Amino acid sequence: NFVLTQPHSVSESPGKTVTISCTRSSGSIGTNYVQWYQQRPGSAPTTVISEDNQRASGVPDRFSGSIDSSSNSASLTIAGLKTEDEADYFCQSYDSSNPVVFGGGTKLTVL
Amino acid sequence: QVTVRESGPALVKPTQTLTLTCTFSGFSLSTPGMCVSWIRQPPGKALEWLALIDWDDEKYYNTSLRNRLTISKDPSKNQVVLTMSNMDPVDTATYYCARTRNRHLDSWGQGTLVTVSS
Repeated sequence: NFVLTQPHSVSESPGKTVTISCTRSSGSIGTNYVQWYQQRPGSAPTTVISEDNQRASGVPDRFSGSIDSSSNSASLTIAGLKTEDEADYFCQSYDSSNPVVFGGGTKLTVL
Repeated sequence: QVTVRESGPALVKPTQTLTLTCTFSGFSLSTPGMCVSWIRQPPGKALEWLALIDWDDEKYYNTSLRNRLTISKDPSKNQVVLTMSNMDPVDTATYYCARTRNRHLDSWGQGTLVTVSS
């Protein structure tokens, strides 16, 4: 089994840019797609990015996803931060043995 | 429009078996490529994937919980059922089901909170 490791928390000011990383412990990050989910308090997760870098319908273009083979990690970048972006963000991927694997989640604070 | 809804008991006693039902609309679990997953989230903690069932009735389980979980489907009722045996207070969590396509959980229910307590 592989593990997806995310920072526990990040914080940044409104208008700034923040990047959340998701590092895969084994197997290549580029072999299987990575999804990113946003979860606001008291709500179910919703997709912000699928298939590494595809924004979900209705997600502003301030959100972008990428993968970096050299660090075996995926990243979610949010530009022009707004207070409404404050939420928990989870990455998710898979392999042939594990159909769904979640990262531990990152709490984004916009202060 | 895809909708997904979880239902089940809000409270179960330790050692009991939990049965949760996922009722969905807007898609068919008989369509090739279509799957449904169950996920849980203890209060203040991370998401944990539990099980997945696909259109061909293939079933996949979280390896650490495999011996306690059973997932099944009834396509005629548009339902997927998850049972978890030998419940413990550490299993207290919000339980979600989600439509899953190409390993992307693209439509989630609102979740149902299950508390395990005597």
